[in-house]
Amino acid sequence: QVQLVQSGAEVKKPGSSVRVSCKASGGTFNNYAISWVRQAPGQGLEWMGGIIPIFEKTHYAQKFQGRVTITADKSTGTGYLELSSLRSEDTAIYYCARMPWSSSPVVPYYYYHTLDVWGQGTTVTVSS
Amino acid sequence: QSALTQPPSASGSLGQSVTISCTGTSSDVGGYNYVSWYQQHPGKGPKLIIYEVTKRPSGVPDRFSGSKSGYTASLTVSGLQAEDEGDYYCSSFGGSNNLPSWMFGGGTKLTVL
Repeated sequence: QVQLVQSGAEVKKPGSSVRVSCKASGGTFNNYAISWVRQAPGQGLEWMGGIIPIFEKTHYAQKFQGRVTITADKSTGTGYLELSSLRSEDTAIYYCARMPWSSSPVVPYYYYHTLDVWGQGTTVTVSS
Repeated sequence: QSALTQPPSASGSLGQSVTISCTGTSSDVGGYNYVSWYQQHPGKGPKLIIYEVTKRPSGVPDRFSGSKSGYTASLTVSGLQAEDEGDYYCSSFGGSNNLPSWMFGGGTKLTVL
């Protein structure tokens, strides 16, 4: 049974960047997409974006375009989230999650099905 | 403001049933059968309980069921138990501006009386 193991908590200054990792343990995610979801204190879940590692195809939520970079290392089964220009509102728990996906047989388009396996979460605190 | 609309709270007595709604648009809930529901207990991460509108992952009790009509998906919890208390989030695949995306509802706090 695959598990997603995330890197440890981070404390960052405003304006800096943070990189969070997510490693598949007990399996691989090469046939799945990996998404990143964050949850600010007392708030709901927010999708940031995802990557389909075998195609290195990324999709980002409009809110984070230009500030987030999602990558994956297929050889190590590790996904990465990098968020730049941090501000206090970015203080949150960041989760990675595995996503089964499919593609259109007619046009180059991808469908995400669900987030079925979640990492344990990484707390990122942005404070001066 | 969340992309999908859920009631902020719901409640039911032990043993009763409760239904939580999740309303979207033709670009997400209404357009695809990729609606999921997640349960989250305080201090814990989300847990998948329903996917592709009606399917339950292995290990999820059949007290949890999902459905969809038009732009609204629903989660029904039957035979409420104390451990069902927590936050519930709906989510859906969406295709706005011809780009794939994923979205969540604002969450519903379920209280078991």
